Amino acid sequence: QVQLQESGPGLVKPSQTLSLTCTVSGGSISSGYYYWSWIRQPAGKGLEWIGRIYTRGNADYNPSLRSRVTISVDTSKNQFSLKLSSVTAADSAFYYCARFYCSSTTSCYFDPWGQGTVVTVSS
Amino acid sequence: QSVLTQPPSVSGAPGQRVTIPCTGSSSNIGADYDVHWYQQLPGTAPKLLIYGNSNRPSGVPDRFSGSKSGTSASLAITGLQVEDEADYYCQSHDSTLSAWVFGGGTKLTVL
Repeated sequence: QVQLQESGPGLVKPSQTLSLTCTVSGGSISSGYYYWSWIRQPAGKGLEWIGRIYTRGNADYNPSLRSRVTISVDTSKNQFSLKLSSVTAADSAFYYCARFYCSSTTSCYFDPWGQGTVVTVSS
Repeated sequence: QSVLTQPPSVSGAPGQRVTIPCTGSSSNIGADYDVHWYQQLPGTAPKLLIYGNSNRPSGVPDRFSGSKSGTSASLAITGLQVEDEADYYCQSHDSTLSAWVFGGGTKLTVL
């Protein structure tokens, strides 16, 4: 079965760019009709969708983060990546990658999820 | 502030039944977008619990059930067990925000 694993620096300085990678195992990132997504969760708080990418198409992002976010995919490595620019302390959070499946235009959900990685923004 | 509203906490005794509401609006649940539920055990990643309003992935006990009506949805847990202590999140899509959105989460305590 498909598994996802996040990796990347756990500490990023303010104003710099946060970069994370999600490695997909147990299946090809290009197979099926799946999107691949990033979600974050500040410590002790709720979940926020960051964006999604389809290996055969474009990415789309949460409008609240769109100006700072880029999600890309590397099918040769079975990975997809997140870049978040101009970070501040408010971007400190657990970052999760997840497979995103839409069974219809009105029904899309995240499954499975990676275990998550914590990113702290601090000088 | 989440566009999907959940109570911060609910509690119940072992064996009892609890429900967790998720209240939305005409731009999300009421716009015919499905609701999905996730369980986040302490220190772990969220896990899909209910998809498409009322469907359980394989391996999820039938003690968990979901429903949707109008602009709201609900997660019901029967025969509460201590291992059900977790945070529960609803998720849908909001057409005004053009984003997939989560409820603020509900912490379930099994007394």
